[in-house]
Amino acid sequence: QSALTQPASVSGSPGQSITISCTGTGSNVGGYNFVSWYQQHPDRAPKLIIYDVSNRPSGVSNRFSGSKSGNTASLTISGLQAEDEADYYCSSYTSSDTRVFGTGTKVTVL
Amino acid sequence: EGQLVESGGGLIQPGGSLRLSCAASGFTVSHRYLSWVRQAPGKGLEWVSIIYSSDTTYYADSVKGRFTLSRDNSKNMLYLQMNTLRDEDTAVYYCARDLLGSDRFYYAMDVWGQGTTVTVSS
Repeated sequence: QSALTQPASVSGSPGQSITISCTGTGSNVGGYNFVSWYQQHPDRAPKLIIYDVSNRPSGVSNRFSGSKSGNTASLTISGLQAEDEADYYCSSYTSSDTRVFGTGTKVTVL
Repeated sequence: EGQLVESGGGLIQPGGSLRLSCAASGFTVSHRYLSWVRQAPGKGLEWVSIIYSSDTTYYADSVKGRFTLSRDNSKNMLYLQMNTLRDEDTAVYYCARDLLGSDRFYYAMDVWGQGTTVTVSS
């Protein structure tokens, strides 16, 4: 049950696009299209922004998009805005019928 | 839409026990997949346990044998019984619900509680 691997931090200027990677194994990310992404602002509960690799829940900005290749999933934030500054976590369903989260990425808007 | 409210956190000595509660509204707990997720101070999210609509439960290796997840359908509540607590169990504990579509569950948590803080310290 090792955590999925994410970069510790990613930064970008307003209006730019950034991409956060999430690397797992064939027992989680690579084996299923059940990767989700969460945004967490300080002292707040996480918020679901992507499910099933690339689907957005109702109400989530289309500036957030997801993809997957092999054992690595990615979250792209386009048109970066100040409000996007937060921590982001990926998560995946696993072959043990459990879940695993990523190590988390702090996004800084310069 | 649904709401979750956790309670039961507090300060507990190592080796002690605590039971967390999660009150659900706007949906029926027995029909949903529900998880506990924790976050140690300054750290990332860690999945702890899940209960499926079939009543099957799973646990992270770090809590297996010490934590027990259960639900009371009559009260629409979820519980996490935590025994033999360790310093490393100190965290904010969230309960969360899996997204349900028209035809299937989506293995993604769309509703989260506000969290309850557990501090294990002597």
